[in-house]
Amino acid sequence: NAGVTQTPKFQVLKTGQSMTLQCAQDMNHEYMSWYRQDPGMGLRLIHYSVGAGITDQGEVPNGYNVSRSTTEDFPLRLLSAAPSQTSVYFCASSTEPGQGDSPLHFGNGTRLTVT
Amino acid sequence: AQKITQTQPGMFVQEKEAVTLDCTYDTSDPSYGLFWYKQPSSGEMIFLIYQGSYDQQNATEGRYSLNFQKARKSANLVISASQLGDSAMYFCAMRDLQSSYKLIFGSGTRLLVRP
Repeated sequence: NAGVTQTPKFQVLKTGQSMTLQCAQDMNHEYMSWYRQDPGMGLRLIHYSVGAGITDQGEVPNGYNVSRSTTEDFPLRLLSAAPSQTSVYFCASSTEPGQGDSPLHFGNGTRLTVT
Repeated sequence: AQKITQTQPGMFVQEKEAVTLDCTYDTSDPSYGLFWYKQPSSGEMIFLIYQGSYDQQNATEGRYSLNFQKARKSANLVISASQLGDSAMYFCAMRDLQSSYKLIFGSGTRLLVRP
């Protein structure tokens, strides 16, 4: 069972470069989201989607773009990387959020370093 | 706006003893869910327990129980009979079930179980 798959696991970028973090899930989940985790700050929501074609901003959306063309995929784009975007990024998905007990299933994370 | 507060950055507990990790929340939504996640040193996020705002009884899952006090807006996690493998970061999270469906995390508590 693949669950939520994130690629790559590690990435080093130079300031100003762009890249896309990939996220795919095979559980037919409607809800998908991206978080970043920084020391002492827990997980902060970047962007989320409640279904194909629908995305919205979370707590810290600046510098990131997302799209949701299919139910399975939810890529996160860094337009022009900055050192402040050095972090661990998690993708997560769940079933219909309004159904109550719908815990997020997390990918294994991408550790990004921007120099 | 939703907010989750975990006031204990770090805690120690003796093996086989019980420990309570604090979590308070703030929301204006009448329907919401509360979650606890465990993050061991390997980095993955593991779902532990869920409590819905309309649930009459406190949730329990094995050695985990959630002490839900709605009037005080608190959702503390109780781990009974601590084991060395319980050493990890623990995150409290809240999701509103009616509008945005966003899942917001607290800053986490690092638990260390002493032998």
